[in-house]
Amino acid sequence: EVQLVESGGGLVKPGGSLRLSCAASGFTFSSYSMNWVRQAPGKGLEWVSSISSSSSYIYYADSVKGRFTISRDNAKNSLYLQMNSLRAEDTAVYYCARDSEGGGVGFDYWGQGTLVTVSS
Amino acid sequence: SYELTQPPSVSVSPGQTARITCSGDALPKQYAYWYQQKPGQAPVLVIYKDSERPSGIPERFSGSSSGTTVTLTISGVQAEDEADYYCQSADSSGTYGVFGGGTKLTVL
Repeated sequence: EVQLVESGGGLVKPGGSLRLSCAASGFTFSSYSMNWVRQAPGKGLEWVSSISSSSSYIYYADSVKGRFTISRDNAKNSLYLQMNSLRAEDTAVYYCARDSEGGGVGFDYWGQGTLVTVSS
Repeated sequence: SYELTQPPSVSVSPGQTARITCSGDALPKQYAYWYQQKPGQAPVLVIYKDSERPSGIPERFSGSSSGTTVTLTISGVQAEDEADYYCQSADSSGTYGVFGGGTKLTVL
């Protein structure tokens, strides 16, 4: 059974940093591209970043480019999101999501999410 | 930046057919995906690659594509289908993920 479990969320002050983790199990992690998707309270879904299976290709939404860094450790079956210079508008539930198979940009499995609150 | 457009809300009675549309200029070139999200839960994939249904998703969920519009159809809507539905695709280069604004399906 595919499982994605996020951790690392919490309350942080504006300008602060936080590192999110996503532990993957139930599939060959090193074979899949992975993503972070966020959802602000009461709002819709927003794609944040993606990383290819071997970390060769990394992409970011304009809203986080230059502040967030995605990475992965295939030996530990883990995905990370380093978030710096956090702003109030970064407050959201952050989900890690696996790329679906067979081409296209879509997400077939999601974690339960971790809440990040940016507030003074 | 690239956008996908969905209606904010759709309402249907139980047993009727719900159709939720999503429009975007790159949809003829990029696959569309649909997610169901219930309050307090993570999204669940219900349609992938425009019209494919993942295992475990009821047959009443179907997807179609025509030009710059994709459509999620739920036939014989049940009360348990009440949720937010999001379409998702990629920009024309296939690099960046993009979500529609979401549609709240209300079962009357």
